Amino acid sequence: AQTVTQSQPEMSVQEAETVTLSCTYDTSESDYYLFWYKQPPSRQMILVIRQEAYKQQNATENRFSVNFQKAAKSFSLKISDSQLGDAAMYFCAYRSAEGTYKYIFGTGTRLKVLA
Amino acid sequence: KAGVTQTPRYLIKTRGQQVTLSCSPISGHRSVSWYQQTPGQGLQFLFEYFSETQRNKGNFPGRFSGRQFSNSRSEMNVSTLELGDSALYLCASSLGQNTGNTIYFGEGSWLTVV
Repeated sequence: AQTVTQSQPEMSVQEAETVTLSCTYDTSESDYYLFWYKQPPSRQMILVIRQEAYKQQNATENRFSVNFQKAAKSFSLKISDSQLGDAAMYFCAYRSAEGTYKYIFGTGTRLKVLA
Repeated sequence: KAGVTQTPRYLIKTRGQQVTLSCSPISGHRSVSWYQQTPGQGLQFLFEYFSETQRNKGNFPGRFSGRQFSNSRSEMNVSTLELGDSALYLCASSLGQNTGNTIYFGEGSWLTVV
């Protein structure tokens, strides 16, 4: 079975600085998708970035980028120039592109941004 | 374009009762999925529907059920409520059945079982 692990329950970053959130996953599948979702206090989950496993190039969305290491099964999120609005819970998620198609979420990392 | 709409937003039920939650997807989206979020278990997948057919189901007891209507709106039902069913229930929709499609979440329905 697939698993997603976020080993950092909480992280803090100074405003305008850079922070990296870690995520590792375990799967025997070769085709899948990885996502980072942000959940602010409003609780509405918002997609931050997605990565297709067959693409070697790391995904980037403005200040957000990932470091995707397929062999190591690692998918970390880097937030540059952190802003107060980035404070939220961040969830790493895996979705199989074959078989069950289930979404599997990590336990989340709470990011605090310090002014 | 309106987002994913979930109703009711908040509700309190008594143990043993049943509850029905509703989800209206983004216009044009045909896939709807449901998730349970609790402090202890995190975010867990309940089930997914596409074109009125359940495509996938998570590891939840049979008390949890769902359905999707021809207009893509979906409902989930929990029967014989237990205290442990207290959670935030999130619904998400996506365009089609391509598993790489982005899913868009609603604001959730807060269920408290007393």
